[in-house]
Amino acid sequence: GAGVSQTPSNKVTEKGKYVELRCDPISGHTALYWYRQSLGQGPEFLIYFQGTGAADDSGLPNDRFFAVRPEGSVSTLKIQRTERGDSAVYLCASSTGTSNNEQFFGPGTRLTVL
Amino acid sequence: KQEVTQIPAALSVPEGENLVLNCSFTDSAIYNLQWFRQDPGKGLTSLLLIQSSQREQTSGRLNASLDKSSGRSTLYIAASQPGDSATYLCAVIGTDKLIFGTGTRLQVFP
Repeated sequence: GAGVSQTPSNKVTEKGKYVELRCDPISGHTALYWYRQSLGQGPEFLIYFQGTGAADDSGLPNDRFFAVRPEGSVSTLKIQRTERGDSAVYLCASSTGTSNNEQFFGPGTRLTVL
Repeated sequence: KQEVTQIPAALSVPEGENLVLNCSFTDSAIYNLQWFRQDPGKGLTSLLLIQSSQREQTSGRLNASLDKSSGRSTLYIAASQPGDSATYLCAVIGTDKLIFGTGTRLQVFP
């Protein structure tokens, strides 16, 4: 079956612009996660959804970052007034939400802020 | 605060060698530990997941062990091949989110 998909695969924007990154999880997975990976580092947690609601948004770095999952499936990560420091690979993962909690990752979106 | 460390940061070996990659974590209150592979410019591929009640998991040439009390996990790769070249990441799950190490960059040369 289809895995986690993310669009776009690459996004180049100018400082101060607004961007949206999309994640389409594995069908039937109730849990969805966003992570951010900087060069040479492991991914860092941003936000976790269980169904439509954000169960944990403690990893969002500041109020320029926001994510939604209005129908409990596709999620959009939104970044306002982008800064050069936002440049990274943004990874999305999904899981069944059970105690097993194995997470399956998408290919990521590489964001470059000029 | 949970911290995950991976040693070594990089490893270069000839084909055919058996390898051990190390992962340590500071807080033993974890649900699961997951090992991933990441190829350059790609996402993460799940290799093995060890639940906190388990001691090890095996998949093909890969074997991962978990010792919660000492805060350690090892990934054993038998008979390494050039196709194993990638970055290997371990991550622990405390509540729901994964906390990652910085990875071990492995190169297997023919």
